[in-house]
Amino acid sequence: GQNIDQPTEMTATEGAIVQINCTYQTSGFNGLFWYQQHAGEAPTFLSYNVLDGLEEKGRFSSFLSRSKGYSYLLLKELQMKDSASYLCAVLDSNYQLIWGAGTKLIIKP
Amino acid sequence: ETGVTQTPRHLVMGMTNKKSLKCEQHLGHNAMYWYKQSAKKPLELMFVYNFKEQTENNSVPSRFSPECPNSSHLFLHLHTLQPEDSALYLCASSQDGVGGAGELFFGEGSRLTVL
Repeated sequence: GQNIDQPTEMTATEGAIVQINCTYQTSGFNGLFWYQQHAGEAPTFLSYNVLDGLEEKGRFSSFLSRSKGYSYLLLKELQMKDSASYLCAVLDSNYQLIWGAGTKLIIKP
Repeated sequence: ETGVTQTPRHLVMGMTNKKSLKCEQHLGHNAMYWYKQSAKKPLELMFVYNFKEQTENNSVPSRFSPECPNSSHLFLHLHTLQPEDSALYLCASSQDGVGGAGELFFGEGSRLTVL
């Protein structure tokens, strides 16, 4: 079966750096997405990786290793507003999005 | 209005009621989706419409009935639901339909509680 694994919950301190990991086992691969979802709000797109390597976008970076079936989302200079759930999703060979259950990130002052 | 709008934001219904969820997108996208989001579970894709044609129905019970009258509007008709159907129902749209790798734009969801 197809599977996406990410930690259920993580806690970090304001101003610090946190890395949220995502491992996947899917039928084929056509890209990996990260979405951010604040409580009670819509998920919003953060990043898309289809080639190996690091993509940087401001304080957020996303890394992909296709050979390892692994990605991470790196958040730097954490702010209280970064408290949210972070969803990892993989586009499989049929262009179906396979979703992880999400990682709830709690930022403490 | 911009983006993807869902109404109502909250809905409480009994198991014998009939209600509908509405979604409207103002992005000019060609594909629209219904997802179910339950606590601590992955998003579950329910239905996909591409250019108003239903292209995906992920073994969803018939008590959920989608309707897509045009490429900007999507409805989810609900009847004789079960308590386990209580969840957040998210509508999304994308520029391209199935086969595309474009990002999804989500609405804020309709929180459904079935008593």
